[in-house]
Amino acid sequence: DAKTTQPTSMDCAEGRAANLPCNHSTISGNEYVYWYRQIHSQGPQYIIHGLKNNETNEMASLIITEDRKSSTLILPHATLRDTAVYYCIVRPEAFQGGSEKLVFGKGTKLTVNP
Amino acid sequence: GAGVSQTPSNKVTEKGKYVELRCDPISGHTALYWYRQSLGQGPEFLIYFQGTGAADDSGLPNDRFFAVRPEGSVSTLKIQRTERGDSAVYLCASSFTGGLTEAFFGQGTRLTVV
Repeated sequence: DAKTTQPTSMDCAEGRAANLPCNHSTISGNEYVYWYRQIHSQGPQYIIHGLKNNETNEMASLIITEDRKSSTLILPHATLRDTAVYYCIVRPEAFQGGSEKLVFGKGTKLTVNP
Repeated sequence: GAGVSQTPSNKVTEKGKYVELRCDPISGHTALYWYRQSLGQGPEFLIYFQGTGAADDSGLPNDRFFAVRPEGSVSTLKIQRTERGDSAVYLCASSFTGGLTEAFFGQGTRLTVV
């Protein structure tokens, strides 16, 4: 599985956009980019995933560079409740021979400040 | 219940004892995952079930760890001869079919071996 690199920590002001970067320079053509987050003392929560097109849902936007070697998760209007560890994960589609498992790194600790 | 349920929420056991951790997945979810998480680390994959069978058990650290899912629903993670190093939060997740579908995590069981 491709590895990801994320900053250890980031800060963001409440109401501002939080932009969380992730490098995945060894990503393969059949690997998707997933984002999960983990609020203190809770299990991880799915946010969004994508292959090569930018994606948006009610929680966030995912911007993937054209060469797919990096991506950015955008929380458009961060709130205090968005304080969490954010994990960027690359994972192949299972039917293409990949494993179903999600391989978590250490993630980025995002702190949203009032 | 609507989410993944894990019991007990906390377990303290003595070194050398046997423990069982239970996971009730979301109804209808065929894929089930076990992870463990040590303080300050991301979740570490242990085992993945598709239905009743373990499709990937590559993350089980040694033969003291075993998991079952006899009817394709509830799963039990079993740890024999517990060691202090087994202390961690054990997380369970389920998803509808695996693959690209999102995984829903439980709150975890905090295991402390004294």
